[in-house]
Amino acid sequence: GQNIDQPTEMTATEGAIVQINCTYQTSGFNGLFWYQQHAGEAPTFLSYNVLDGLEEKGRFSSFLSRSKGYSYLLLKELQMKDSASYLCAVRGPYNQGGKLIFGQGTELSVKP
Amino acid sequence: KAGVTQTPRYLIKTRGQQVTLSCSPISGHRSVSWYQQTPGQGLQFLFEYFSETQRNKGNFPGRFSGRQFSNSRSEMNVSTLELGDSALYLCASSSFDRSTDTQYFGPGTRLTVL
Repeated sequence: GQNIDQPTEMTATEGAIVQINCTYQTSGFNGLFWYQQHAGEAPTFLSYNVLDGLEEKGRFSSFLSRSKGYSYLLLKELQMKDSASYLCAVRGPYNQGGKLIFGQGTELSVKP
Repeated sequence: KAGVTQTPRYLIKTRGQQVTLSCSPISGHRSVSWYQQTPGQGLQFLFEYFSETQRNKGNFPGRFSGRQFSNSRSEMNVSTLELGDSALYLCASSSFDRSTDTQYFGPGTRLTVL
């Protein structure tokens, strides 16, 4: 089966660092994505990991451990505009169409 | 490059009616996926089209259907609308090049069924 777990909500302070975890159990794996979605808007792409390790992109970093079925998104120097929902998604095997399965999303609130 | 566009942005229908939503992918992208997003269920995969063929299908009833045209534009249709079909319908396109394997989302169509 396919299962992706993320915390439902998180709160952090402006200027701080926050780590959003994602664990997955899927029948196949072809990459893990993180998307940011502000209320009433479409998801926007943040990062893509297909190999183990850390990918850094400015204030955002994403880590993947395929053996543990685990990823996290790290947001540094938090800003108020980072308040949004963060979606973890796993791409399944290409011989099954490679469809994207999304977690429920983590609602992050950044407080002053 | 222009992004993914979806029309209409907002739609109000009544139960029993049918609706057609349109999606134009990023130029050069041949894969179009459709998702339904509701507060309770999150983002749920509907189907994916690649080169005019449905390559993948989610667990939705047959009232939900779609197609893709030769220019990669896609439409999805929902017949016999139910109250529970009220949702944000998102379309995403990708080149499906495995080295740059990323889906880009359009702004969505907000469907309200009364």
